[in-house]
Amino acid sequence: TQLLEQSPQFLSIQEGENLTVYCNSSSVFSSLQWYRQEPGEGPVLLVTVVTGGEVKKLKRLTFQFGDARKDSSLHITAAQPGDTGLYLCAGVISNFGNEKLTFGTGTRLTIIP
Amino acid sequence: NAGVTQTPKFQVLKTGQSMTLQCAQDMNHNSMYWYRQDPGMGLRLIYYSASEGTTDKGEVPNGYNVSRLNKREFSLRLESAAPSQTSVYFCASSEALPDLQETQYFGPGTRLLVL
Repeated sequence: TQLLEQSPQFLSIQEGENLTVYCNSSSVFSSLQWYRQEPGEGPVLLVTVVTGGEVKKLKRLTFQFGDARKDSSLHITAAQPGDTGLYLCAGVISNFGNEKLTFGTGTRLTIIP
Repeated sequence: NAGVTQTPKFQVLKTGQSMTLQCAQDMNHNSMYWYRQDPGMGLRLIYYSASEGTTDKGEVPNGYNVSRLNKREFSLRLESAAPSQTSVYFCASSEALPDLQETQYFGPGTRLLVL
C-alpha cells in the first residue's frame, strides 16, 4: 500500500511555464519533505515543512503543507531546463520513537528548452 | 568529504547468485538506511540501522540481510538473487532517525540486474 501518491506521474512542459505537482495521503504526517533526484544520482533534499498550512519558498519553487498535514504541493514558476528531474515527496509519521521516512511515487518533470 | 559512497555502481547477477552491496559514510552519522527504487514505486525502505550495533526491518526486507559493520559502514546482502530484486539500490544516512527536521543524505546508487 502506497501511503503517498504523487500526481502527475509525468509532466513535460516548455521553458518559462508554471507548474504544480501534488503529494496526497490519507495519513497525517508530522513533517513532509521534498527531494529532487537527477539521473544517475541519489535524491537531494529541497525543503522540509512541519506546520499545517506552512508555505516555504526556495527561489522559484514554492512548497505548501496542507492544513490537515495530509498533503503538499510544489509550485514552480517560470520553469527552467535545470528544474528537470524526479521530484519525490516523503513524509514522517509519528510512531513513538520509531519514525521512518515514507516516500511518494514521484513526479518525473521534463522542461523543454 | 565524500558523503555517502556505494560500491559497486553496476552489477549483473544470475538467479541464485549472492552478492553484497557496500555503503560507507564519512559524516559521523548514527543512522543508516537501505532503499530500493523501482519505476512508479518511489523509494521503499529495506532495512535500517538506528545506531551502531542495531538493525531493523523496513517495508520490504524479504530476501535481504544487512550488517552494520561499524559506525561508517552498512552493507546489504542478497543471499540468493531473484529477478524481482532487479532494482536501483540506495544507501542513505542521517544524524538520527527521522524526526521533524532530520535530513537523509543519499549515495549515488547501485544498479542491479538479476537475470
